[in-house]
Amino acid sequence: QVQLVESGGGVVQPGRSLRLSCAASGFTFNNNALHWVRQAPGKGLEWVATISYDGSYKYYTDSVKGRFTISRDTSKNTLYLHMNSLRVVDTAVYYCARGRGPQLWSNFDYWGQGTLVTVSS
Amino acid sequence: QSALTQPASVSGSPGQSITISCTGTSSDVGSYPLVSWYQQHPGKAPKLMIYEGSKRPSGVSSRFSGSKSGNTASLTISGLQAEDEADYYCCSYAGFTTLWVFGGGTKLTVL
Repeated sequence: QVQLVESGGGVVQPGRSLRLSCAASGFTFNNNALHWVRQAPGKGLEWVATISYDGSYKYYTDSVKGRFTISRDTSKNTLYLHMNSLRVVDTAVYYCARGRGPQLWSNFDYWGQGTLVTVSS
Repeated sequence: QSALTQPASVSGSPGQSITISCTGTSSDVGSYPLVSWYQQHPGKAPKLMIYEGSKRPSGVSSRFSGSKSGNTASLTISGLQAEDEADYYCCSYAGFTTLWVFGGGTKLTVL
């Protein structure tokens, strides 16, 4: 069965960096677009970034452009989110999600359990 | 890109039907047949309930249905059950500039 397991969250000071990982299993990794979605405490869902099935295309929400980088490693079946210059407003549970197909516009069909990132001094 | 607009809360009694609306613009909901709906119980990950506007994934009850008219998408839950009590989020593809936009979420209470 499809499984997505995030890791790498924790407490970090403003301005510092963090790398999130999402280990995927149960499907052919390079057949699907992948996404990061976050949820601030007590708030709604917010799309963060998307990477195409082959890693050629990457898209970001405006508030993280230039600070976050999404990537994928087919040899490890793992999705990453490199987060630099972190801000207090980046505090959230970060979910990785699978697109239903290779297209960037495929709806998110499976989600991981999430990893909490807390940015605080 | 602004979030899609959902009512903050809806409620219904067991056995009744409810509808949650999701209003966007001609740049997102109105332009693409790519609205999805997610159910989220407290402390849990979201679960896909409807994709591409009206399609149900395998395993999702037929009590859940989706539709769209113009810039507004809707999720209808018929025969309400206690386990349907959760937060519901809509999401729409919004083109290659923004890609995805979510609604603010709707808390469903089963009375």
